[in-house]
Amino acid sequence: RKEVEQDPGPFNVPEGATVAFNCTYSNSASQSFFWYRQDCRKEPKLLMSVYSSGNEDGRFTAQLNRASQYISLLIRDSKLSDSATYLCVVSADTGRRALTFGSGTRLQVQP
Amino acid sequence: EAGVVQSPRYKIIEKKQPVAFWCNPISGHNTLYWYLQNLGQGPELLIRYENEEAVDDSQLPKDRFSAERLKGVDSTLKIQPAELGDSAVYLCASSDRGALTDTQYFGPGTRLTVL
Repeated sequence: RKEVEQDPGPFNVPEGATVAFNCTYSNSASQSFFWYRQDCRKEPKLLMSVYSSGNEDGRFTAQLNRASQYISLLIRDSKLSDSATYLCVVSADTGRRALTFGSGTRLQVQP
Repeated sequence: EAGVVQSPRYKIIEKKQPVAFWCNPISGHNTLYWYLQNLGQGPELLIRYENEEAVDDSQLPKDRFSAERLKGVDSTLKIQPAELGDSAVYLCASSDRGALTDTQYFGPGTRLTVL
């Protein structure tokens, strides 16, 4: 079983749609949680950190459920530019340096 | 501010040949990482440096892979000899241990094809 599991997709959604991605992690000692975005043939870039209380950044909302070891990312009002692979990332290192990546969920927003 | 620089961007070699990748982290970043990313997978850590010290190399296949970070700045990752299964993207990342968020910034990667 992988440490971080994600639905690979692809998720094909029309512009303006709301889409949600889920992720589960197996290490109950995980301390820090993130969503990274990776465009095709590009490097991963931090999208947002995920906090226990949930957090929002514009159209993006991240939620964490430690009891269920579950992380989610909600994208509202999808844009064509949101098309990318979204990587769920966890760290059991309090220094947040040892990152474990999921395989990613691919999103394709269509006009 | 310049990002993480990697070279070459692409490399095609025949199996059993050696290959080396170079990384220049963001200025002032004391932590440097080498990751391997296979197609359709997330990055997997190979080695992490704190300054010039390799503090986590448990996932580095030491029979054929080696890395160094002389003077705690640039780093080189070497494979000798390369095998077909080594075809992947090799990503370098850096972070500032003293920063509030310690975000890892990735370079564009080196895409290796072993024939």
